[in-house]
Amino acid sequence: SQTIHQWPATLVQPVGSPLSLECTVEGTSNPNLYWYRQAAGRGLQLLFYSVGIGQISSEVPQNLSASRPQDRQFILSSKKLLLSDSGFYLCAWSSQRGAWETQYFGPGTRLLVL
Amino acid sequence: GENVEQHPSTLSVQEGDSAVIKCTYSDSASNYFPWYKQELGKRPQLIIDIRSNVGEKKDQRIAVTLNKTAKHFSLHITETQPEDSAVYFCAATLANNLFFGTGTRLTVIP
Repeated sequence: SQTIHQWPATLVQPVGSPLSLECTVEGTSNPNLYWYRQAAGRGLQLLFYSVGIGQISSEVPQNLSASRPQDRQFILSSKKLLLSDSGFYLCAWSSQRGAWETQYFGPGTRLLVL
Repeated sequence: GENVEQHPSTLSVQEGDSAVIKCTYSDSASNYFPWYKQELGKRPQLIIDIRSNVGEKKDQRIAVTLNKTAKHFSLHITETQPEDSAVYFCAATLANNLFFGTGTRLTVIP
């Protein structure tokens, strides 16, 4: 079966510091991968998605970036964090075969920028 | 892109009563509509989904209906229980992406 991992689970960072969040998927190959952000008590905002290694689409212009160095690895980065970057970051995957639209979420990373 | 609207934003029901959450979408090309349940501090979990070639789907106490002509779909939870309390998100898919509603916070009062 497929599993999706995210780390770290929680992170407290000062404003202006860099960020690196990692997401990995097991049990499937060539998945679609997604990064979402959820502000406290709010909905899900799609940040980036990727249909393959090195292929990244950005949905919202911001100080964040994403990379996909391996088939089942998706990384969210920032060079300088802002206060507004605080939130719950969720990685998700979907299959490129069969029911490709269904997305499954990782456990999330809770980021607090102070 | 797709615009998904969800109502109500909050919903309180007595245990045992039914709960209905409604969503509308804007792009008639959307053809897949999942519903997610998110408990406090947890990840969203898929609870039921429906495709555009089906008008209704049921899974025990949960059902979803879809009206393609009107471009709206609804989640129905019957015989609600306290463990149904959570935030529920609807979504519509378009071009490899899911577009989410803003969520409904359901509270089931024992």
